[in-house]
Amino acid sequence: EVQLVGSGGGLVRPGGSLRLSCTAAGFTFRSYAMSWVRQAPGKGLEWVSSISGNGDTTYYADSVKGRFTFSRDNSKNTLFLQMNSLRAEDTAIYYCARNNYDSFDYWGQGTLVTVSS
Amino acid sequence: QSVLTQPPSVSAAPGQKVTISCSGNSSIRNNYVSWYQQLPGTAPKLLFYDDYKRPSGIPDRFSASRSGTSASLVISRLQTGDEAIYYCGTWDASLSAVFGGGTRLTVL
Repeated sequence: EVQLVGSGGGLVRPGGSLRLSCTAAGFTFRSYAMSWVRQAPGKGLEWVSSISGNGDTTYYADSVKGRFTFSRDNSKNTLFLQMNSLRAEDTAIYYCARNNYDSFDYWGQGTLVTVSS
Repeated sequence: QSVLTQPPSVSAAPGQKVTISCSGNSSIRNNYVSWYQQLPGTAPKLLFYDDYKRPSGIPDRFSASRSGTSASLVISRLQTGDEAIYYCGTWDASLSAVFGGGTRLTVL
């Protein structure tokens, strides 16, 4: 059974940093690109970033480019999203998701990030 | 602003059929469309990939199609448990994923 478990969310002040993690199980982790998708309170889905299976290639939404870094450790089946210079508009539930060609076929349960003073 | 446009809400009675539209630009023409169901308080769940393909476990009351730059999700024999927000998604030319704004389905 595919499982994605996100963690690391919390309350952080504007300008601060946070690192999210997502641990995967139940599939050959290194064979899949992975992504982060976020959802602000009461809002729709917003893609944040994707990473290739070997971690060599990353893509970012313009809204986070230069502030967020997406990486993975295939030896530990774990994803990391380093978020710096956080803003109030980054407040959201962050979901990790598995890419399957043009779709996201499995999603984690989400971890809440709140940016507030 | 999403490049994919969905109606904010649709509603129908139990047992009826509802269609949710998703219209876009050249992104939707050149890439497959997927559909997601988000039940209240839960993570999104994949309903369809590659325009119309249903993952195992998705009831055949759900169907999807795509024509040109428009896609549609049809839910037949509506049940109260189908109340959710439905999103379409695709990829644009810069290899960024994009989602529609979501459609809230109310089963009256």
